Amino acid sequence: DAGVTQSPTHLIKTRGQQVTLRCSPKSGHDTVSWYQQALGQGPQFIFQYYEEEERQRGNFPDRFSGHQFPNYSSELNVNALLLGDSALYLCASSFIGGAGNEQFFGPGTRLTVL
Amino acid sequence: AQRVTQPEKLLSVFKGAPVELKCNYSYSGSPELFWYVQYSRQRLQLLLRHISRESIKGFTADLNKGETSFHLKKPFAQEEDSAMYYCALRFYGGATNKLIFGTGTLLAVQP
Repeated sequence: DAGVTQSPTHLIKTRGQQVTLRCSPKSGHDTVSWYQQALGQGPQFIFQYYEEEERQRGNFPDRFSGHQFPNYSSELNVNALLLGDSALYLCASSFIGGAGNEQFFGPGTRLTVL
Repeated sequence: AQRVTQPEKLLSVFKGAPVELKCNYSYSGSPELFWYVQYSRQRLQLLLRHISRESIKGFTADLNKGETSFHLKKPFAQEEDSAMYYCALRFYGGATNKLIFGTGTLLAVQP
C-alpha cells in the first residue's frame, strides 16, 4: 500500500487561473480531508468528504471546492487564484469506522501562484 | 473558538539533553489531542495521541486540563529527533472530524 498519494507534486499558476489537485486515499479509507499549509504555518483545515459529500468546512471561501468519487479519491478545485493561495496542500485520509479514526497524510502538492 | 498554540518556533538542544515542546489549547468540549511530526523530506505523521497514554520513540505527553496544555517531553534528546513537531486538536462535527493544528516547533538537536 503506497499510502495516501497526491498529484501533481508541484504546480505553478498565475493569478486568476483555476487549479485542480488530486488525492487517492490509503487503501481501506473512506474519508478524505484537505488542508492548506502556508509557509511557516501549521496545516489549516479546508474541508472533508465522506460518502461523496462535503461534511465539514473550514474558514475558506467558495472559490475552494471539492469532490469525492465513488472510489473514495478526491479533488480540490481552486478558482480565481490569488497570490495568497500559494501554499502546500495536504490531503489526509481516514476510515470513519476505524479505531481512533487516525488521519494519514499525503506528501502534499506545492502550489505557487505568480 | 478552538485554538492550538505552540509558543516556540524553534527549540535547539544538545544531544542527551531533556526536551519539552509546549502546546496549549482552547476548546470548550472534551479535548482530544495529538502530536504530529514531520522529518526532513517526509510526510506528516502521527507521533502520539493523549488517549493512548503511550510512549513513542521515548516521547510522552500528558494532557493537563487545568492548564489546558499537552506538552511533549523526552528525557534525552537524540539527533534523529530533529524535525518539525505539530500539536493538533481534534474537533468533531457529527460523524466526521477535523484537526486544528498549531504553528509548529522546529526541534534541532545538536551533536
